[in-house]
Amino acid sequence: GDSVTQMEGPVTLSEEAFLTINCTYTATGYPSLFWYVQYPGEGLQLLLKATKADDKGSNKGFEATYRKETTSFHLEKGSVQVSDSAVYFCALSLNSGGYQKVTFGTGTKLQVIP
Amino acid sequence: DTAVSQTPKYLVTQMGNDKSIKCEQNLGHDTMYWYKQDSKKFLKIMFSYNNKELIINETVPNRFSPKSPDKAHLNLHINSLELGDSAVYFCASSQAGLFSYEQYFGPGTRLTVT
Repeated sequence: GDSVTQMEGPVTLSEEAFLTINCTYTATGYPSLFWYVQYPGEGLQLLLKATKADDKGSNKGFEATYRKETTSFHLEKGSVQVSDSAVYFCALSLNSGGYQKVTFGTGTKLQVIP
Repeated sequence: DTAVSQTPKYLVTQMGNDKSIKCEQNLGHDTMYWYKQDSKKFLKIMFSYNNKELIINETVPNRFSPKSPDKAHLNLHINSLELGDSAVYFCASSQAGLFSYEQYFGPGTRLTVT
């Protein structure tokens, strides 16, 4: 079946450090890939997405590139801030008969310290 | 305007009780979901409805019964609550169609069973 594997957290970084959160996937077909972010006490919200190979999604300084050859969608940010502290979820979505089946990774908690 | 809303935000109840969680979206989406998030932040899909029709029903105990009176609402009723039902429950919605679309999440309902 389809699956998403994320690096385990928590990840603790100092402010202005470089961030990478690894994400790899297994899917039948050609999925769309997403990163969602969950701030404390809130629901998930979309951070960025990519719908086909070599697409780069970007938002709020975060980037991820859809790599079909390595089945990966790693999240990166050049300089993290305390406000980036949250849980990050990688997800894939496959469309079957007009319906989406979304598979989420286990989430990676990021803590940024001043 | 809130896109996806859930009530209540917190629910504390005793084992054996029956409770409901309500969800409404004002985005005009055709597809709605229920997810369960455990204490380790693992997110698991429970149900998905498209235009009031059940399309995904994961291995969830039949004590859980979703009801969609119209495509803007998807409620979750839980019978005979157990300690293991304690979690945060998220409602989400998305467009339906031939492509993969982002999901919009509600703020969550924290259920505590004592």
